[in-house]
Amino acid sequence: DQQVKQNSPSLSVQEGRISILNCDYTNSMFDYFLWYKKYPAEGPTFLISISSIKDKNEDGRFTVFLNKSAKHLSLHIVPSQPGDSAVYFCAARTSGSRLTFGEGTQLTVNP
Amino acid sequence: DAGITQSPRHKVTETGTPVTLRCHQTENHRYMYWYRQDPGHGLRLIHYSYGVKDTDKGEVSDGYSVSRSKTEDFLLTLESATSSQTSVYFCAISEGLAGSSYNEQFFGPGTRLTVL
Repeated sequence: DQQVKQNSPSLSVQEGRISILNCDYTNSMFDYFLWYKKYPAEGPTFLISISSIKDKNEDGRFTVFLNKSAKHLSLHIVPSQPGDSAVYFCAARTSGSRLTFGEGTQLTVNP
Repeated sequence: DAGITQSPRHKVTETGTPVTLRCHQTENHRYMYWYRQDPGHGLRLIHYSYGVKDTDKGEVSDGYSVSRSKTEDFLLTLESATSSQTSVYFCAISEGLAGSSYNEQFFGPGTRLTVL
């Protein structure tokens, strides 16, 4: 049972434009949501997080939005840069410190 | 960068052989995790540890065992490797809970395991 789903395996955008990556979840008990970024042959790196009591968190070019009623999470990257090309995973905290990850979305930013 | 190393980084083995992967941290973090990454599945938790000699199962623990005899080391063992265990394995660490806040997990560089 996939509790965290990223329905788009890939996304391609032009440099300077906005990238929007989406994530849906089913478990209403999730209390923290995170985005990780992964380059080939490296481990994932933490990007940004949001508590379930908030609906928006911003960090530079990255903004995460949470819509609890729709059980939907999105990551906005503005402006997109070629160095942003990577696989992005959304994750949600369940019990304790455990995370449940989505399948990942490959973002390609074209120069 | 968090001090996490994994060894080996690459391994090719044959079906039925035992395999042990090692994760070593220099951050003195309480929690350590083993994940596997497969196409279409993202990262799935195998086992995790919340202290020395304290471990628990994740969502895909069948065929795997773990041990943590020291804070800094977390070992993942495949007792008898199968082709379905061909994957990229990631170790992660975190400080765990701190009141109501969340401490993110930091990941190692990964181990690519191929079981022939």
